[in-house]
Amino acid sequence: GNSVTQMEGPVTLSEEAFLTINCTYTATGYPSLFWYVQYPGEGLQLLLKATKADDKGSNKGFEATYRKETTSFHLEKGSVQVSDSAVYFCALSPYNTNAGKSTFGDGTTLTVKP
Amino acid sequence: DAGVTQSPTHLIKTRGQQVTLRCSPKSGHDTVSWYQQALGQGPQFIFQYYEEEERQRGNFPDRFSGHQFPNYSSELNVNALLLGDSALYLCASSFETFGYGYTFGSGTRLTVV
Repeated sequence: GNSVTQMEGPVTLSEEAFLTINCTYTATGYPSLFWYVQYPGEGLQLLLKATKADDKGSNKGFEATYRKETTSFHLEKGSVQVSDSAVYFCALSPYNTNAGKSTFGDGTTLTVKP
Repeated sequence: DAGVTQSPTHLIKTRGQQVTLRCSPKSGHDTVSWYQQALGQGPQFIFQYYEEEERQRGNFPDRFSGHQFPNYSSELNVNALLLGDSALYLCASSFETFGYGYTFGSGTRLTVV
């Protein structure tokens, strides 16, 4: 079956530091890949997505590139802010007409200190 | 434009009871998926509804059932509650079933005592 593996947290960084959160996946075919962010007490928000190999998703300074050869979708940001503190989830969705199910990683907690 | 609305936000139930959670999808979305998120874990897929039918189901027992109405809103029902059912239940809506990303609600926090 499909699976998503994220780097274990928590991750603690100082403001303006560079962020990388690793994500690798196992799936058949050509899945779509996503990063979601969850702030305390809230649901998940879609941060960025990529639907085919070599696509780069980007939003709010975050980026991730769909690497089929390494089955990875690592999240990066050049300069984090305190407001980026949250839990980040990597997810995949199979690409077929009956595919609604997304498979999520266990999340990585990011804390950014001033 | 209203996003996904879930009710109630919090709920406390006794073991063995039944519970109904409700979800109104984002305007224009026709597909509703339900996820269970235990503390410190990622969301686990319960099932998905499309055109008022259960389209896909995850590894959850038959105690978990649902319904989608003609206006695309949805309910999640859980019978014979167990302590292990305590979790955040998330509703996610999307326009189509290709998985191009969900819009999530803020969830219902269910506590079974």
